[in-house]
Amino acid sequence: EPEVTQTPSHQVTQMGQEVILRCVPISNHLYFYWYRQILGQKVEFLVSFYNNEISEKSEIFDDQFSVERPDGSNFTLKIRSTKLEDSAMYFCASSETGQGLGEAFFGQGTRLTVV
Amino acid sequence: AQTVTQSQPEMSVQEAETVTLSCTYDTSESNYYLFWYKQPPSRQMILVIRQEAYKQQNATENRFSVNFQKAAKSFSLKISDSQLGDTAMYFCAFMSRNSGNTPLVFGKGTRLSVIA
Repeated sequence: EPEVTQTPSHQVTQMGQEVILRCVPISNHLYFYWYRQILGQKVEFLVSFYNNEISEKSEIFDDQFSVERPDGSNFTLKIRSTKLEDSAMYFCASSETGQGLGEAFFGQGTRLTVV
Repeated sequence: AQTVTQSQPEMSVQEAETVTLSCTYDTSESNYYLFWYKQPPSRQMILVIRQEAYKQQNATENRFSVNFQKAAKSFSLKISDSQLGDTAMYFCAFMSRNSGNTPLVFGKGTRLSVIA
């Protein structure tokens, strides 16, 4: 069964460093998303991506963050100059026809720890 | 803005018993979806069940069913004949139906442990 895969499963980085979280969505999906969950908090929406551009983003997704689909298969989230409060589980998701019309498939998450 | 509240951080249930997970939400919209997602330890989050707000009939998927009370803005998940494989974090989520690509709004989750 096709699935969304995320790498790495756990990333530890120094405060101020840049990190790139990688996701391989399901191949025929057209909509891509990043969510995050700070420990003990809600899963929060970061950004949605369709047709090679951001379609919606939350207040969390400021200039520190960027997304890219560099080669037609990967979907990356870049965090520049990481802060301690960026420590969270980051989830990638993809869907064929949008989250409500179709099912959103999630990856297993990348746990980011900023020290 | 929509909010989703799951008031039970942790629950446990004996194998073969029934358990109900609570979820309430707040919205001014009338057209939306509600979801329950399950995330087993170290695994992907997967969709368990979906309810469309305009449908009065409660959704069911095998051992999983919901009690959707639109007026009360309540959306609880009932798991019957609980199995060890049901041990997971369960997330309730809301999505506006205004377009196909609006974000999911999640609750904090309920960690369910099924005990042998």
